[in-house]
Amino acid sequence: DAKTTQPTSMDCAEGRAANLPCNHSTISGNEYVYWYRQIHSQGPQYIIHGLKNNETNEMASLIITEDRKSSTLILPHATLRDTAVYYCIVVANFGNEKLTFGTGTRLTIIP
Amino acid sequence: SQTIHQWPATLVQPVGSPLSLECTVEGTSNPNLYWYRQAAGRGLQLLFYSVGIGQISSEVPQNLSASRPQDRQFILSSKKLLLSDSGFYLCAFKSRRALSPLHFGNGTRLTVT
Repeated sequence: DAKTTQPTSMDCAEGRAANLPCNHSTISGNEYVYWYRQIHSQGPQYIIHGLKNNETNEMASLIITEDRKSSTLILPHATLRDTAVYYCIVVANFGNEKLTFGTGTRLTIIP
Repeated sequence: SQTIHQWPATLVQPVGSPLSLECTVEGTSNPNLYWYRQAAGRGLQLLFYSVGIGQISSEVPQNLSASRPQDRQFILSSKKLLLSDSGFYLCAFKSRRALSPLHFGNGTRLTVT
């Protein structure tokens, strides 16, 4: 699986959009981008995934660049409960048994 | 619906004692199963994963072992705990459906004293 690079930490004001970047410059054509988040002392929670088109669900939006070498997770109206560590990983759509995570981005929502 | 159960939630064990953490999955057959560890303030470290009964892949040589005696049961063990085994242990599963995400349990916080 391709390696990802994320900023160590970010702050965002409550009510604003939180934009979390992820670089995955070595992504392969069959690899999807997945985002998870981990609230303190809990197991990580799946947020969203995508291949090349932008995706949106009830939690967030995922914007993937045309060359697929980077992506941005957008939380449109951040709340204090969105304070968490956000992980971006890339996963092949087959033969993807081994799933490793980086250190993620610690997002702090400021009141 | 698919659910994962992991227990206990917290555990305090003395150095040199054995360990057994259990994880069970419901609502899916033949899932991929995973054990991760998270040291305080650190990222998720993949310890073991399994694609079937009795099939265990180890990612980090250490004081721990894993077993999968049944399709939806995954056990993490140690014969003698070390202080460095302290951490937050997370079990996860992934169904065989294409593009299905990982689902994590609530974790076990292990403190070795």
